[in-house]
Amino acid sequence: DTAVSQTPKYLVTQMGNDKSIKCEQNLGHDTMYWYKQDSKKFLKIMFSYNNKELIINETVPNRFSPKSPDKAHLNLHINSLELGDSAVYFCASNTGQGVYGYTFGSGTRLTVV
Amino acid sequence: SQQGEEDPQALSIQEGENATMNCSYKTSINNLQWYRQNSGRGLVHLILIRSNEREKHSGRLRVTLDTSKKSSSLLITASRAADTASYFCATDDEGSQGNLIFGKGTKLSVKP
Repeated sequence: DTAVSQTPKYLVTQMGNDKSIKCEQNLGHDTMYWYKQDSKKFLKIMFSYNNKELIINETVPNRFSPKSPDKAHLNLHINSLELGDSAVYFCASNTGQGVYGYTFGSGTRLTVV
Repeated sequence: SQQGEEDPQALSIQEGENATMNCSYKTSINNLQWYRQNSGRGLVHLILIRSNEREKHSGRLRVTLDTSKKSSSLLITASRAADTASYFCATDDEGSQGNLIFGKGTKLSVKP
């Protein structure tokens, strides 16, 4: 059983399109996150959700919006895609108690052409 | 904002040797964590060390934490080719509500 699963694994799309990446965790964790990893492998947090409430919202463009239908899901919607959005996006989950590490998904490689 | 800075950026060793990676950070932390990322894969949690701990072991891994110097080290003993990966430190800052801030990573290559 995959603990944190993301779909799709690869996404190639044209500039200006709107796309979504889905994430699901079956660990019963309270908090879920989205991270962006750029071409230099630098990881930066984008969002986190705790029990369906946004608790961290870093300075990302408002074209990016997280949506959490329930505690086990945190989807990422991106509107009007730009070339600079090309990156690998990772979903992660955690108990939110600062005791255990994060569990990451395998990533979604987004390429905007 | 970036917190952890790993050193070195890249490390190449022979199988059987030990590998040491260092991490420095800037603020007060709740804990510091180390992750491994194989090429094209997600991150795997290796070890978490709390701010009141100084050393922790897990198998061939040894992590130290010096909060006075705001630094940590990850030692992999008796390295194997399968240890080839990028290693990241990440800090859970005080008041960050669990927001992990990652460093740039150390790319480790273990040659058979």
